[in-house]
Amino acid sequence: AQSVTQPDIHITVSEGASLELRCNYSYGATPYLFWYVQSPGQGLQLLLKYFSGDTLVQGIKGFEAEFKRSQSSFNLRKPSVHWSDAAEYFCAVGDPTGNQFYFGTGTSLTVIP
Amino acid sequence: NAGVTQTPKFRVLKTGQSMTLLCAQDMNHEYMYWYRQDPGMGLRLIHYSVGEGTTAKGEVPDGYNVSRLKKQNFLLGLESAAPSQTSVYFCASSYSIRSSYEQYFGPGTRLTVT
Repeated sequence: AQSVTQPDIHITVSEGASLELRCNYSYGATPYLFWYVQSPGQGLQLLLKYFSGDTLVQGIKGFEAEFKRSQSSFNLRKPSVHWSDAAEYFCAVGDPTGNQFYFGTGTSLTVIP
Repeated sequence: NAGVTQTPKFRVLKTGQSMTLLCAQDMNHEYMYWYRQDPGMGLRLIHYSVGEGTTAKGEVPDGYNVSRLKKQNFLLGLESAAPSQTSVYFCASSYSIRSSYEQYFGPGTRLTVT
């Protein structure tokens, strides 16, 4: 069965520091991969997505993610975190052969001044 | 263009009471979804709809019913609320059912069942 794992429940970084949020998936082939962000009291917003091609994907708000097939990972990165990046981040996978869609359990990001 | 809206934002129910959550989208999307979000469990799909008048069960459908009488609206009903249904409920819509298409989310409804 497909699954998505976000190993870090909570991460704290200083403003201006770099960020990497981890995401691992379990799937027989390469799924569609997504990162969503949920600001406090808000719904989820798509940051970026990967279907095929270049394994480094650029998204909104200065985020990027890299697909590594050998590690079944799709980690989210940002070179310099801003206080407004404090939010919950969800990795998700989509089944290319159908319409199933699975979310990870989320990583909560705290940004300290 | 309001996107996806949800009504109400907050609600407290007593065990056994019923209620309906309303989701509306103005993007002319065919596909709509109801998720619940619980701590440590991410989002889980309750029901979804592939078009007006059609609905299907998701991962955790028990205790919920849905209806899609109009393309822009997707209703989630709880006939007899239970404390286990305390959660944050999100509605989403998308242009296509295929998993490659982005889902647009509403702001959520926080439901507490006492």
